[in-house]
Amino acid sequence: GQNIDQPTEMTATEGAIVQINCTYQTSGFNGLFWYQQHAGEAPTFLSYNVLDGLEEKGRFSSFLSRSKGYSYLLLKELQMKDSASYLCAVRGSQGNLIFGKGTKLSVKP
Amino acid sequence: IAGITQAPTSQILAAGRRMTLRCTQDMRHNAMYWYRQDLGLGLRLIHYSNTAGTTGKGEVPDGYSVSRANTDDFPLTLASAVPSQTSVYFCASPRSGMNTEAFFGQGTRLTVV
Repeated sequence: GQNIDQPTEMTATEGAIVQINCTYQTSGFNGLFWYQQHAGEAPTFLSYNVLDGLEEKGRFSSFLSRSKGYSYLLLKELQMKDSASYLCAVRGSQGNLIFGKGTKLSVKP
Repeated sequence: IAGITQAPTSQILAAGRRMTLRCTQDMRHNAMYWYRQDLGLGLRLIHYSNTAGTTGKGEVPDGYSVSRANTDDFPLTLASAVPSQTSVYFCASPRSGMNTEAFFGQGTRLTVV
């Protein structure tokens, strides 16, 4: 089976750095995705990792360790607009994405 | 604008009624998926289709059916709606290849009363 765990909620301050962790257990591995979802909206793609290491994309970075079944999303220079849910997902054997329950991030002034 | 269109955007439905949620994509992607999203449970796969003419069951298929007569359309039907099907429904479709992200429709908010 597949299991994906991430914290339910996090709070951080504007301008700070926050790290959202994700651990996964899968029968196969075809990549790990991070999505951002603002309240009332559809998820939007942030990043993809298939090899170990860090992928940087502007203020957002994502890290993967396949041997540990672990990933994190790092958000730098937090802005109020970063308040959203962040979804960790792995690709299943049928090609579909299997999602964690999401981490709701609140950015405070 | 290319992408995925869902209809309706929201709906209030009486229990026992039949309802079809529509999903259309103009990106010519092979695969399409239906998810439901519930508070505290995240996005869960209902049904999927990896190519026109084929469909499969996801994690929570009971009470739902799908068809994939062509590449562009992937309707989701609730034969006899129940209150537990109150949810936000998202249709999604990735480009071909395993390392490609999925694009999502804007969602359908369904309330069954």
